[in-house]
Amino acid sequence: GAGVSQSPSNKVTEKGKDVELRCDPISGHTALYWYRQRLGQGLEFLIYFQGNSAPDKSGLPSDRFSAERTGESVSTLTIQRTQQEDSAVYLCASSLQTGIYTGELFFGEGSRLTVL
Amino acid sequence: QKEVEQNSGPLSVPEGAIASLNCTYSDRGSQSFFWYRQYSGKSPELIMFIYSNGDKEDGRFTAQLNKASQYVSLLIRDSQPSDSATYLCAVMRREYGNKLVFGAGTILRVKS
Repeated sequence: GAGVSQSPSNKVTEKGKDVELRCDPISGHTALYWYRQRLGQGLEFLIYFQGNSAPDKSGLPSDRFSAERTGESVSTLTIQRTQQEDSAVYLCASSLQTGIYTGELFFGEGSRLTVL
Repeated sequence: QKEVEQNSGPLSVPEGAIASLNCTYSDRGSQSFFWYRQYSGKSPELIMFIYSNGDKEDGRFTAQLNKASQYVSLLIRDSQPSDSATYLCAVMRREYGNKLVFGAGTILRVKS
């Protein structure tokens, strides 16, 4: 597609339910990032994929969070047993290159998660 | 200590003035530095990147990097109301891939 696509754009769920957030990166982009942004806060790094591998999972807040990427394309971020503190906008970004001079991440519009 | 620190602001400047946004980082191994702009309710977009010490100019924007002081700044000349946004500093180090770490951002308000 023309840009990074995320779905759903909005998700309201009850505490304790599982949610899946999907990211379709720009075609051909090898790097894919997930960030979380709470209201009025900065971007919190969650996980990064190079191809289908995740060299850095250090940002995942707890074992309730997991992510995968298949076919060097679509990625899914799964949050199990959601808690109210999980409420945030989850941003996905993709990038064409992975050299040290890379940093132009193209962001999707985000998935806004509200946990009641 | 946060990896990337920014003053949250808001920084208010009059239209036409120079806005100066600052950022410090903790990891001396950081290699690449970026400024992103985020309008309210929107996703971040890249403004500039800088890798070498010194200044880099692009239109009304100038990025400045001082690796010895672990400091990077963004100057916006002739500030316009449309520049009002949150400016995010981001730092990358080639460790475990290319993890891009963002600061919390500085809110800029340009008053007409």
